[in-house]
Amino acid sequence: QQQVKQSPQSLIVQKGGIPIINCAYENTAFDYFPWYQQFPGKGPALLIAIRPDVSEKKEGRFTISFNKSAKQFSLHIMDSQPGDSATYFCAATGTASKLTFGTGTRLQVTL
Amino acid sequence: NAGVTQTPKFQVLKTGQSMTLQCAQDMNHNSMYWYRQDPGMGLRLIYYSASEGTTDKGEVPNGYNVSRLNKREFSLRLESAAPSQTSVYFCASTFPRWGEWGSNQPQHFGDGTRLSIL
Repeated sequence: QQQVKQSPQSLIVQKGGIPIINCAYENTAFDYFPWYQQFPGKGPALLIAIRPDVSEKKEGRFTISFNKSAKQFSLHIMDSQPGDSATYFCAATGTASKLTFGTGTRLQVTL
Repeated sequence: NAGVTQTPKFQVLKTGQSMTLQCAQDMNHNSMYWYRQDPGMGLRLIYYSASEGTTDKGEVPNGYNVSRLNKREFSLRLESAAPSQTSVYFCASTFPRWGEWGSNQPQHFGDGTRLSIL
């Protein structure tokens, strides 16, 4: 039972492009939506997060857009760089800070 | 700054063998978690410990046991390893979120244990 659905599975963009990763959730009890970035051989690390009372949040080149009525949220990476090549996971959490992860998006930024 | 330390980093087991994966955090976090990561499935919660002295099942607990040894350490045990348990295992820790007080704190992850069961 996948409570957080993530797409696409993989994504290739050129340097400077704007990759967009989408997630949808089912459980209306979720109230905190973080994105994690994972490099090969490493654990996931928090990138940016949003609460459902906010429609957009920006941190540097990373932006989360949140649509509460549609139960969808997305990550945009502005001016993408080869160093952004990684796997990105959306997640949602409610009680006990338990995270439910999406299935991940493998991003490759080419020169 | 060690953060979350997992040992071992790699392990190969034979079916039926037992093993304990170790996790320790030095950030004085109350809550600790064990996840497994499989291709195309993201990370799935196995067990968690909201605070010292408590443990609860996550999404995929079958075949595993855990021990919250003290505030710093949270171990995961495979009593009789099966090929289906071949995976990368991650430990994480955080301060818990208490109702409306403050914001959620991020979970800090270790670098994983890569476990193969033949």
